Amino acid sequence: EAQVTQNPRYLITVTGKKLTVTCSQNMNHEYMSWYRQDPGLGLRQIYYSMNVEVTDKGDVPEGYKVSRKEKRNFPLILESPSPNQTSLYFCASRTTSRNEQFFGPGTRLTVL
Amino acid sequence: SQKIEQNSEALNIQEGKTATLTCNYTNYSPAYLQWYRQDPGRGPVFLLLIRENEKEKRKERLKVTFDTTLKQSLFHITASQPADSATYLCALLNNYGQNFVFGPGTRLSVLP
Repeated sequence: EAQVTQNPRYLITVTGKKLTVTCSQNMNHEYMSWYRQDPGLGLRQIYYSMNVEVTDKGDVPEGYKVSRKEKRNFPLILESPSPNQTSLYFCASRTTSRNEQFFGPGTRLTVL
Repeated sequence: SQKIEQNSEALNIQEGKTATLTCNYTNYSPAYLQWYRQDPGRGPVFLLLIRENEKEKRKERLKVTFDTTLKQSLFHITASQPADSATYLCALLNNYGQNFVFGPGTRLSVLP
């Protein structure tokens, strides 16, 4: 089944404790992206990657890192999480020839 | 400044009627615009894409229009059903087709 998977689905952590949210897709998509979704603010893009080893900042990249060492994986790294990073995070992927994005199920992160 | 707005945060309509959702944008020149559906706690699901040179696109009970002069897209659901109740998001590609920008969404409730 074609899908985007994220892990973990739920995470509660404390300020300053480094964490990684994994994202993997099995559709051989070139483009992958991370979003956060907050009430009243909608979906905002954090980082995106056009292909392996190519990443760029979205609209809200501060406090996040990403890497794209393999085509299928695009982890999101929070080196020192803070409470304002409490949010619902989505990973998405698409081919560069078709523009519909496929979203993962989401990761609900709470930083205390 | 750049902005994407959706006409209302919430819209209630009676089953069988046509729902019309609006997406307006300023200071963007998108090559195309997309519409997604999002159910609570889940990732958005792609519905339709319309290009700047297309006036209208249809898919089953869904219809999208795109007016680049007005900088507006309308999303219609005809013969609406309670199962159509969800949040609907419009999105466009910014920055030469590399990063996506989403509207805040309209929560549609179709009442039986």
